[in-house]
Amino acid sequence: EVQLVESGGRLVKSGGSLRVSCRASGFSLNDYAMAWVRQAPGKGLEWVAYISTTSLDKYYADPVKGRFTISRDNDENTVYLQMNSLRVEDMAVYYCVRDEGFGKYWGKGTTVTVSS
Amino acid sequence: QSVLTQPPSVSGAPGQRVTISCTGSSSNIGAGFGLHWYQQIPGTAPKLLIHENNNRPSGVPDRFSGSKSGTSASLVITGLQADDEADYYCQSYDSSLSSWVFGGGTKLTVL
Repeated sequence: EVQLVESGGRLVKSGGSLRVSCRASGFSLNDYAMAWVRQAPGKGLEWVAYISTTSLDKYYADPVKGRFTISRDNDENTVYLQMNSLRVEDMAVYYCVRDEGFGKYWGKGTTVTVSS
Repeated sequence: QSVLTQPPSVSGAPGQRVTISCTGSSSNIGAGFGLHWYQQIPGTAPKLLIHENNNRPSGVPDRFSGSKSGTSASLVITGLQADDEADYYCQSYDSSLSSWVFGGGTKLTVL
């Protein structure tokens, strides 16, 4: 069974840093690109970042470019999102998604709260 | 402002049929990229309903169907049920942005 389990979300002050993780199981992480999608409270879905299978290609949404870094460790079956210079507007549930051009598999999300 | 445009809300009575539209542009839907639909019950992760315009994953009832034409797409739900009440999102890929793009979401209310 494919599972994606996010962790690491917590309360952080504006300007702070946080790394969230996504542990994959039930499939070979080597074989799939991965993405992070977030959802601010009461808002819609927003794509955040993408990483290819080999980490050679990485793309970011404009609001997070230069502040967030996506990475992966295929040996550890884990995808990461390093978030620096956090802003109140980054407050959201962050979902890890297996990227097949669409998201058939999503984690349950991890909540990042940013206080001013 | 979302790249894909959806109506904020739709409603229908049990048993009825509803349609949710999703309008994009020549750099996403109109460029031939697949259009995908998700259902989200508040407080839970999105669930894939339709992928590649009109394909249902295993387990999704055939009451849900999708179509695409030009720069627009539609999700049709027939035989509306109470547990269809949820938020629905369309998603595609945008070649100008090199990213997934989502619609703003449509809240379906079953009357």
